[in-house]
Amino acid sequence: DAKTTQPPSMDCAEGRAANLPCNHSTISGNEYVYWYRQIHSQGPQYIIHGLKNNETNEMASLIITEDRKSSTLILPHATLRDTAVYYCIVPTSGTYKYIFGTGTRLKVLA
Amino acid sequence: NAGVTQTPKFQVLKTGQSMTLQCAQDMNHEYMSWYRQDPGMGLRLIHYSVGAGITDQGEVPNGYNVSRSTTEDFPLRLLSAAPSQTSVYFCASTSRWGAIEAFFGQGTRLTVV
Repeated sequence: DAKTTQPPSMDCAEGRAANLPCNHSTISGNEYVYWYRQIHSQGPQYIIHGLKNNETNEMASLIITEDRKSSTLILPHATLRDTAVYYCIVPTSGTYKYIFGTGTRLKVLA
Repeated sequence: NAGVTQTPKFQVLKTGQSMTLQCAQDMNHEYMSWYRQDPGMGLRLIHYSVGAGITDQGEVPNGYNVSRSTTEDFPLRLLSAAPSQTSVYFCASTSRWGAIEAFFGQGTRLTVV
């Protein structure tokens, strides 16, 4: 699996955009970038995924650099309920094996 | 619309006891996996299966057995529980075709004393 690197923690003011970076410099051409989050000790929740184009859904936007070596998850208007650990994962193509790092602990401040 | 169901939610075992953690999914997903999460850590892959009758080891397989006799069920067996296996265990399932999200269960919190 491509190794991912994320900052251990970030703070964000409520209502502001939260930008969570991820480095995945060893990513291969056909490997997707996935983002999940874990609230408290619940099971991880899927947020978004992408290959090379920017993606947006009802939860977030995913910006992938042109060289695909890094990406940024954007929560456009963070709320207190977005406080969670966010994981960036790049599973080896065709394996579906998720290797979780320690993620980024996002704290949204009132 | 149950998704991934894990049982039990909580369990306390004595060292040396055996038990099976159950995982069932109703989405006809081919791929299922088991993870453990220790305090303050990310999830670590224990075992996974790409379909009925096929299983393989993940990052931390020692002390655990799995089997996959049906598409729906993927039980995780602890043969002889040790305090080091105290953890929260998560089961996940994914459709094998295409870049599809993984669905996680709500976890089983296991304490070995």
